Amino acid sequence: GAVVSQHPSRVICKSGTSVKIECRSLDFQATTMFWYRQFPKQSLMLMATSNEGSKATYEQGVEKDKFLINHASLTLSTLTVTSAHPEDSSFYICSARTVPGYTFGSGTRLTVV
Amino acid sequence: AQTVTQSQPEMSVQEAETVTLSCTYDTSENNYYLFWYKQPPSRQMILVIRQEAYKQQNATENRFSVNFQKAAKSFSLKISDSQLGDTAMYFCAFMKPEPSGTYKYIFGTGTRLKVLA
Repeated sequence: GAVVSQHPSRVICKSGTSVKIECRSLDFQATTMFWYRQFPKQSLMLMATSNEGSKATYEQGVEKDKFLINHASLTLSTLTVTSAHPEDSSFYICSARTVPGYTFGSGTRLTVV
Repeated sequence: AQTVTQSQPEMSVQEAETVTLSCTYDTSENNYYLFWYKQPPSRQMILVIRQEAYKQQNATENRFSVNFQKAAKSFSLKISDSQLGDTAMYFCAFMKPEPSGTYKYIFGTGTRLKVLA
């Protein structure tokens, strides 16, 4: 079946630095990818919709300049957390539309120290 | 706006027994999809089952089945012959097409299921 590869699985960074998370669709093209954030023991909250070749669409309350999304090809979308702070520590998950439902990446646990 | 409610934060079931997880949703749409996802400790989201709103027949996938009551806006998941590997967080999700042509999920808050040996 369709696979979405997400890297890194875990990352620890210092406060003030930037971190890039990659999401790749393997063996299929994804014109649209979605980025979610999940706090401990909570549900997935949609952050933004990544569109290949165009600007991402951000959900209300999500800072565009903090969470930079680039979808430069049909198989790769990236999320960059800029000037990270401890409150950005979370679990980030990407997904791409497949049949019968969306396929999710394995997630990235970001810890900002 | 659409909302998805899972009223059971935690549940437990004995191995080989049957358990039902509840989910209700609120929408004025007529064309939509409903899903159950499983998130084990690995945090990988795994699709369990899907139901199209226009289908009256309840979806079934091996030990997993749903009770879809469209008028009541209810979408419960029944797990038969529970196995230890079923221990996970279960999310109910609603999806409908957006005017832009994309589809977005709205997730419930999840039910943590523990299967006891």
